[in-house]
Amino acid sequence: GENVEQHPSTLSVQEGDSAVIKCTYSDSASNYFPWYKQELGKGPQLIIDIRSNVGEKKDQRIAVTLNKTAKHFSLHITETQPEDSAVYFCAAGNNNDMRFGAGTRLTVKP
Amino acid sequence: DADVTQTPRNRITKTGKRIMLECSQTKGHDRMYWYRQDPGLGLRLIYYSFDVKDINKGEISDGYSVSRQAQAKFSLSLESAIPNQTALYFCATSDGVNAFFGQGTRLTVV
Repeated sequence: GENVEQHPSTLSVQEGDSAVIKCTYSDSASNYFPWYKQELGKGPQLIIDIRSNVGEKKDQRIAVTLNKTAKHFSLHITETQPEDSAVYFCAAGNNNDMRFGAGTRLTVKP
Repeated sequence: DADVTQTPRNRITKTGKRIMLECSQTKGHDRMYWYRQDPGLGLRLIYYSFDVKDINKGEISDGYSVSRQAQAKFSLSLESAIPNQTALYFCATSDGVNAFFGQGTRLTVV
C-alpha cells in the first residue's frame, strides 16, 4: 500500500516569510495529492490539490508542486499570516485509497 | 449546519465498555470513512464504505466495527474499548474527488 512521509513535523516562520512543507510517497499508481489544513478543534479542510497530470497548481498565496519521477510533492505558502497557523496534512492515493502524512504544525509569528 | 456531523464531540469511557460514535452527512455522498488521529501519526483509515451495503477495512480495523445504516449515516463501534484507542476520531465523506471531514470526536478510554 501507499506510504506517505511528511517533513518537517513542526515549522515556525515570521509573518510575511514563506513556508514550505514536503511530502514523499511510495506508490507510483497514486494520482491524486490533496493538502488539508486543520485548525484547532476542527476537522481537516481541503485547501488545494493536484493531480498527476499537472506539475504545479496555484491558488492565491498557496501553491503545490508535484514531481512524479521523484515521487514527491510540496506545499508552498507565501506571505504567511498568523491565520495560516495550523496543522497541515498531505495525502496521496487514488479514488479508492488515500493515505495521509503525519502532519506539520505551522506557527506564523507576528 | 455542518455538512458532516459527528456525535458525541467528546466522550470518556471505561476499559471494556462498548461505545458507538455516530456520523451523519447532508452532502449526498455515497462514500464515507472513519479515521483515527494520533499525535505524530497523522490520519489513519479505520473503515470505509462506498455504498450502503459496502464495508471495507482500512489500515487499522482491529478492535473496531462499523455500520452503514443509510447513505447519510455511518457509525463506528468499539466493542470493548481499551486505553490505546484513546484518540481523536474523524468521519469523512467524499464525492470521489474531495474529502469533507466532520469536526471530530475526542475519545478517552480510562
